[in-house]
Amino acid sequence: AQSVTQPDIHITVSEGASLELRCNYSYGATPYLFWYVQSPGQGLQLLLKYFSGDTLVQGIKGFEAEFKRSQSSFNLRKPSVHWSDAAEYFCAVATDSWGKLQFGAGTQVVVTP
Amino acid sequence: NAGVMQNPRHLVRRRGQEARLRCSPMKGHSHVYWYRQLPEEGLKFMVYLQKENIIDESGMPKERFSAEFPKEGPSILRIQQVVRGDSAAYFCASSPQGDNYGYTFGSGTRLTVV
Repeated sequence: AQSVTQPDIHITVSEGASLELRCNYSYGATPYLFWYVQSPGQGLQLLLKYFSGDTLVQGIKGFEAEFKRSQSSFNLRKPSVHWSDAAEYFCAVATDSWGKLQFGAGTQVVVTP
Repeated sequence: NAGVMQNPRHLVRRRGQEARLRCSPMKGHSHVYWYRQLPEEGLKFMVYLQKENIIDESGMPKERFSAEFPKEGPSILRIQQVVRGDSAAYFCASSPQGDNYGYTFGSGTRLTVV
């Protein structure tokens, strides 16, 4: 069965520091992978997605993610975080051709001054 | 071009009442997905609909929950005889024909059962 694991429930990072959020998946075929961000009281916004091709994916708001098949990982990175990056981040994998997504439990990011 | 509109934003129901959650997809989008987010958890798929058709309802609880997406009007997620465990945020997403992964999420409906 497919699964998505985000090992870090909560991360605190200083403004200006780099950020890396981990995501591991379990899926038999080549996965379609996504990162979403959710601000408090809001819906989810797509940061980036990977379907195939270049394993380093650029997204919005300065985020990037790298697909590593050997490690079954799709980690999200940002070189320098801003206070506005404080939010919850979700990794997701598409589990069928209909577009159904399976989400990880999320990582809450807190940005300190 | 308005995004995915969900209403109400907040809904309070007493145990045993019915809850109706509405979702108007983005203009031109014909696919609607409903997800539920329980406290401290990620989103869980509930149901996928196209106009007048339920395509995949594998995530819907077997009882009390139903969904529809009529030819005209919004998609409705209906929960009958609500219980405290139904308290959650319910998110709708829509995507256009031919781009099943081109999701746009609404801001959600926060259901509280008292």
